[in-house]
Amino acid sequence: GDSVTQMEGPVTLSEEAFLTINCTYTATGYPSLFWYVQYPGEGLQLLLKATKADDKGSNKGFEATYRKETTSFHLEKGSVQVSDSAVYFCALRDSSASKIIFGSGTRLSIRP
Amino acid sequence: DAGVIQSPRHEVTEMGQEVTLRCKPISGHNSLFWYRQTMMRGLELLIYFNNNVPIDDSGMPEDRFSAKMPNASFSTLKIQPSEPRDSAVYFCASTLDTSQPQHFGDGTRLSIL
Repeated sequence: GDSVTQMEGPVTLSEEAFLTINCTYTATGYPSLFWYVQYPGEGLQLLLKATKADDKGSNKGFEATYRKETTSFHLEKGSVQVSDSAVYFCALRDSSASKIIFGSGTRLSIRP
Repeated sequence: DAGVIQSPRHEVTEMGQEVTLRCKPISGHNSLFWYRQTMMRGLELLIYFNNNVPIDDSGMPEDRFSAKMPNASFSTLKIQPSEPRDSAVYFCASTLDTSQPQHFGDGTRLSIL
């Protein structure tokens, strides 16, 4: 079945460092791909999405490119801030499915 | 705009008691999802509804769990009887249609003693 694998955390970086959180997926169809972010004490929020190969999703300085050839959707940010500390979830939805498959989440902590 | 509203935000109760979690989806959204989040298992989909009809309840752990959606603006997740291993954060999410991203509530943190 469809699945999402993302790098295990926690990831700890200093402010202004470059961030990459790896995500790969397995799907039989042509899925849409998402990154969600969860801040402490809150629900998940959509961060960005891409619906087809080579699409780049971007929001709040974060970017991810849908790579069909490597079945990847890695999250990147050029300069992280303390306020980016949160748990990040990679997810997919197959074109024929209603539900979203979430990865296990990666906890990110940014040091001032 | 009001988002997905869940109540209560926190619930602490003794094992064996009935627990009812409530969710009000975003107005106009046709699909509603219940998730459970724990450190051990991450985020698990329990059940989802389309137009108030349960579509997939394969994630419901056992018969002690039940969910209803009597109308488009309200859903409940009930645990009876509750057990300590049910302690988790329970999220409700809704979406306009299944091609759109889901909007999550802030969750109910449930502790069963």
